[in-house]
Order: sequence, then structure tokens, then C-alpha cells
Amino acid sequence: EAGVAQSPRYKIIEKRQSVAFWCNPISGHATLYWYQQILGQGPKLLIQFQNNGVVDDSQLPKDRFSAERLKGVDSTLKIQPAKLEDSAVYLCASSQDPYEQYFGPGTRLTVT
Amino acid sequence: AQRVTQPEKLLSVFKGAPVELKCNYSYSGSPELFWYVQYSRQRLQLLLRHISRESIKGFTADLNKGETSFHLKKPFAQEEDSAMYYCALSKGGYNKLIFGAGTRLAVHP
Repeated sequence: EAGVAQSPRYKIIEKRQSVAFWCNPISGHATLYWYQQILGQGPKLLIQFQNNGVVDDSQLPKDRFSAERLKGVDSTLKIQPAKLEDSAVYLCASSQDPYEQYFGPGTRLTVT
Repeated sequence: AQRVTQPEKLLSVFKGAPVELKCNYSYSGSPELFWYVQYSRQRLQLLLRHISRESIKGFTADLNKGETSFHLKKPFAQEEDSAMYYCALSKGGYNKLIFGAGTRLAVHP
């Protein structure tokens, strides 16, 4: 089966600019997660969707980050405006089994 | 608060040596524990989970609730085991994973 797809793979922007990331989960996976991984740290959940509804967005900086999962399939994560501390790898994961999450290749964001 | 601690950033061993990657957690309930692995230029992937009590690629991990630990062990390390290993905790179900900072395992020939 095809894995979780993410684009772009790399993005460099200046602070205060906006950026968007796209994720297409494995077909049939109802649960979708966005994680932020800062260099030297483990991934941290930003937002979790069950179909097109938000399950957990407690750690999403809502003043600048937004995410949507229209139609319960693919998802976009947006940052506007970006700050230097947003430099990180953004990982998308999906699951249909509560005991395993499948991760995408990630998008490496550099904010200058 | 839930937290996962991996005290070693880097573990360096020779091929054939035993390996133990440490993981300690704090959680007041009954957590589910996982080990995820990321090989060079590959995606993060599940290695094993405590509920399965299985051995994957020679690795095992036992949940010790008394010591709140879930250490990953392998009796004889191989060069292909070199990777980044993350311990993770979940409250269960489709709940989010809480990851440790990771330990890089380097196995030398």
C-alpha cells in the first residue's frame, strides 16, 4: 500500500511570511495527526483529526497555526505569520489501528 | 503531566555487544508504551509495542510499572541496528503519542 504522502519536502521562508503543508494519509485511515519535531527533540502533537473532526488541538498555537481536513481525507497545515522558532520538521501520520501510527517523510521548514 | 525521558542522546557499541536503550515515563494511569525507530533517510516507523510482548529484529522491551520504565534490549547488536530510537507513551486508543527526545544508536564494526 502507498504510504503517507507529504509536500513539500523542504521549505525556506522569511519570518512573518506564511507557509502551508499538505498531507495525504493512507487510504482508509480515519485518524490523522500533525506533529512538530524541533531539532534534538521528539515529535510533539499539534493537532489530531478523526475523519474531518478535531480530536485534540491543545498544543496548536492557534494565533498563527491552522489546520483543516476537508472531506476527511487529505489535510493542510498552515502557519501565518511564521516565527524563527517554527523552524522544525512537520510530520504527518495516519492510523486505522489505535496501536500503530504510520508517518510520512516530513516537511523540513527553515524560517530565516 | 505525562512525560517520557530517554537519558542518553547517543549510545555507541561494537557489533555483537548487548544493547540497552533506556526509557522512563511518568503517567498516573495505565499507559501504552511503544518504541519507534528511524533509520537513515527513512521514515519514523513502529518497532514494537508493549501490549504485543513480541520480539522484533531481535529487540525486546518489558514494561516495568514499578520503575516506570520500558527499556529496549537486544543481546547482540548488528550494524544495521544503527538508527534513532524513540520511546513513546499513549493514554490508549487513538490518543496522541508523547515522545521522548530519542537516543541515537551507533553500532561500530
